[in-house]
Amino acid sequence: GAVVSQHPSWVICKSGTSVKIECRSLDFQATTMFWYRQFPKQSLMLMATSNEGSKATYEQGVEKDKFLINHASLTLSTLTVTSAHPEDSSFYICSARAFEVGTYNEQFFGPGTRLTVL
Amino acid sequence: ELKVEQNPLFLSMQEGKNYTIYCNYSTTSDRLYWYRQDPGKSLESLFVLLSNGAVKQEGRLMASLDTKARLSTLHITAAVHDLSATYFCAVDISMDSNYQLIWGAGTKLIIKP
Repeated sequence: GAVVSQHPSWVICKSGTSVKIECRSLDFQATTMFWYRQFPKQSLMLMATSNEGSKATYEQGVEKDKFLINHASLTLSTLTVTSAHPEDSSFYICSARAFEVGTYNEQFFGPGTRLTVL
Repeated sequence: ELKVEQNPLFLSMQEGKNYTIYCNYSTTSDRLYWYRQDPGKSLESLFVLLSNGAVKQEGRLMASLDTKARLSTLHITAAVHDLSATYFCAVDISMDSNYQLIWGAGTKLIIKP
């Protein structure tokens, strides 16, 4: 149980275009989903916390107009990188918080999306 | 300042040896998580430690939590090549509805045959 999927797993796009990444909890309802960014050989950097039906809470320094997050249902959150530029290239990982599996605040992670902006 | 420090950051060791990775944190917490990340992959949950004195074991890995010392350890017994990965600890400092995890920098473990 507690499986999180992400789509796509890898995307290459041109500078100036927008890219949407989907994160789904497959076998549980996730009231809270998280979006992280990871640069090579570094730890995870939390970008935003997404609660179903409400606006996402962004971490300091993360542009909310640049990284649009929508959490429309209990199983789906999306991250849209708008007008992507090469500096947005990174590994984006989503996770979901699963109360139902009884492990309190444990997060289950999606497989990640590697974004390369040319 | 809220800090989670992992030590060491990089470790190369021979198969068959034992070693311990340390995770020190600077604030009160009684919940800590260990994750594994393989190159180019996402994070896999290894252990959830929910109270002082918690000890969990899975195969050659054993994790423990000492909330008084603000220390968690991940012990590797008789290491094998398959355990090569980066290991992260994350400290849960959530209070009420304010949910927050603080991540360690990660320990890159390379196990040589």
